[in-house]
Amino acid sequence: GAVVSQHPSRVICKSGTSVKIECRSLDFQATTMFWYRQFPKKSLMLMATSNEGSKATYEQGVEKDKFLINHASLTLSTLTVTSAHPEDSSFYICSARREGERPQHFGDGTRLSIL
Amino acid sequence: KQEVTQIPAALSVPEGENLVLNCSFTDSAIYNLQWFRQDPGKGLTSLLLIQSSQREQTSGRLNASLDKSSGRSTLYIAASQPGDSATYLCAVLKIGAAGNKLTFGGGTRVLVKP
Repeated sequence: GAVVSQHPSRVICKSGTSVKIECRSLDFQATTMFWYRQFPKKSLMLMATSNEGSKATYEQGVEKDKFLINHASLTLSTLTVTSAHPEDSSFYICSARREGERPQHFGDGTRLSIL
Repeated sequence: KQEVTQIPAALSVPEGENLVLNCSFTDSAIYNLQWFRQDPGKGLTSLLLIQSSQREQTSGRLNASLDKSSGRSTLYIAASQPGDSATYLCAVLKIGAAGNKLTFGGGTRVLVKP
């Protein structure tokens, strides 16, 4: 159990495009989902924490108007990179946590390339 | 602010040799520590999770130790195989009044040569 699906796995698009990434918990209800960003050869950096039905909490330095997070249901959170530019190219990973549990279950990540 | 450091950043060993990966953290008030494996372009696979009250965890050829007071954890991989080539990340979880936070180290890139 505890499978997290992330879609798409790879996106290549032109500068100025908005890109939506989905994170789904397939076999459990995730009250909390997390979005991470990973630059090449660097570690994961937490971008934001989203709780179902409420606004996401963004880490310092992360533009909330740039990275829109929606957690409308207990099994789905989306990250939308608005008006993406080449510097937004990165590897984005989501994770989900069951209510009452500590461990996070990770998706397989989305590689975003902005041309 | 919690800082997690992994040394070395990269490691290359011949097949069959034992691997020793180090992780250190600055704030010892952690809830647990987790070791992950990441293959290129892929997500994270959890390897071992050690609760703050535990000293070590074992799974097959993997053994992870935790010394919370000194802020250190070590991941041992016995008899390495080419399939062990990947990046290994450690992460510490802190529980706080403001919420939980998982902080990752920079990772150790491992190459096991056949």
